[in-house]
Amino acid sequence: KAGVTQTPRYLIKTRGQQVTLSCSPISGHRSVSWYQQTPGQGLQFLFEYFSETQRNKGNFPGRFSGRQFSNSRSEMNVSTLELGDSALYLCASSRGGGGKNIQYFGAGTRLSVL
Amino acid sequence: AQTVTQSQPEMSVQEAETVTLSCTYDTSENNYYLFWYKQPPSRQMILVIRQEAYKQQNATENRFSVNFQKAAKSFSLKISDSQLGDTAMYFCAFMFHGSGNTGKLIFGQGTTLQVKP
Repeated sequence: KAGVTQTPRYLIKTRGQQVTLSCSPISGHRSVSWYQQTPGQGLQFLFEYFSETQRNKGNFPGRFSGRQFSNSRSEMNVSTLELGDSALYLCASSRGGGGKNIQYFGAGTRLSVL
Repeated sequence: AQTVTQSQPEMSVQEAETVTLSCTYDTSENNYYLFWYKQPPSRQMILVIRQEAYKQQNATENRFSVNFQKAAKSFSLKISDSQLGDTAMYFCAFMFHGSGNTGKLIFGQGTTLQVKP
């Protein structure tokens, strides 16, 4: 069974640009969560999608958005990039999103903003 | 608000020995789950072990076990017979089980564990 796939693995952008990251969950998983990982702030929750609906959202500005498609694949978009957006972005999939459903993580997308 | 604290930024252990990683959390909720994830240099986050708060019995997965003290809000991870492949950053995480809080893991700052040959 294939794991969680994130593309691309690495991205280099400049300030002011926008970026889209992709996450393909494990087959049968309908929940996708996104996290930002930085050395200073650690791992922080961005948002969670289930059946194409955003069910939960963390404390990030509106520049961070996402969506989920009918096949459960999810994308995350960051507009007007800032230097502080440089981070490892992780997505995780699970069957239902609750604690009884284990989250399985992808290898992440490393975003560098210059 | 729920918080998770890992007070040991770095630890090291000799191969084949036992090491314990500490984690405390703060919550007013009763229904929640606790997790230990490991993140090796490859960056892939891997679940090590999970504990359901309503279960008093400590979870065990092969060489990994936890000491869950609900009243003290403590959730430590014990690694027995440490192996070189255990070298990684370990994250303690919490998830509150309730509507409106789906899919959100709250992580500690992590403990970097180095296993020495």
